[in-house]
Amino acid sequence: TQLLEQSPQFLSIQEGENLTVYCNSSSVFSSLQWYRQEPGEGPVLLVTVVTGGEVKKLKRLTFQFGDARKDSSLHITAAQPGDTGLYLCAGAGGGSNYKLTFGKGTLLTVNP
Amino acid sequence: KAGVTQTPRYLIKTRGQQVTLSCSPISGHRSVSWYQQTPGQGLQFLFEYFSETQRNKGNFPGRFSGRQFSNSRSEMNVSTLELGDSALYLCASSFGQTTGELFFGEGSRLTVL
Repeated sequence: TQLLEQSPQFLSIQEGENLTVYCNSSSVFSSLQWYRQEPGEGPVLLVTVVTGGEVKKLKRLTFQFGDARKDSSLHITAAQPGDTGLYLCAGAGGGSNYKLTFGKGTLLTVNP
Repeated sequence: KAGVTQTPRYLIKTRGQQVTLSCSPISGHRSVSWYQQTPGQGLQFLFEYFSETQRNKGNFPGRFSGRQFSNSRSEMNVSTLELGDSALYLCASSFGQTTGELFFGEGSRLTVL
């Protein structure tokens, strides 16, 4: 069974601070996705990383896929209250694995 | 382009009852996946349907079942409800590639008393 461990589980910071959340596994994934879920809504895809070592930037968010494709990180620069939400990573296996395996998420609160 | 629509949004049931949840995917999407989300376990995969066929199934008891219709709409059913079935049930649709982006609905919040 492929498991994704996300850390920290909870994070509360002040507006303007930087933060990094992590997604780790002992399994190799063919790709990894990051989603953000706001209260009362379903998760929304932020980015997909596919290549080991890949770095993608989405405005103030930087996503990195580990060289061995077992881990990923999300770094937010100058966090804003609008960044508040549950950040979920989801890994996709190769072959006939049709489902995504989700981590339990990091609940981020950015205080004004 | 309409998003994924789930109904009902909220429902309350008592132990032993059954419930049916509905999901209308984005037009053109042929794959529908169902997830259970709880604070303790996060998102857990229930099953995925593609072109009316169950393509993959998670580790849930047989009380949880689903189906997909020819128009790609999907339903999931939970029979003999237990207190532990209280959760947010999320439906997600995609074009059908195995690892493509999932488009989630807002979920159906089930409370079992």
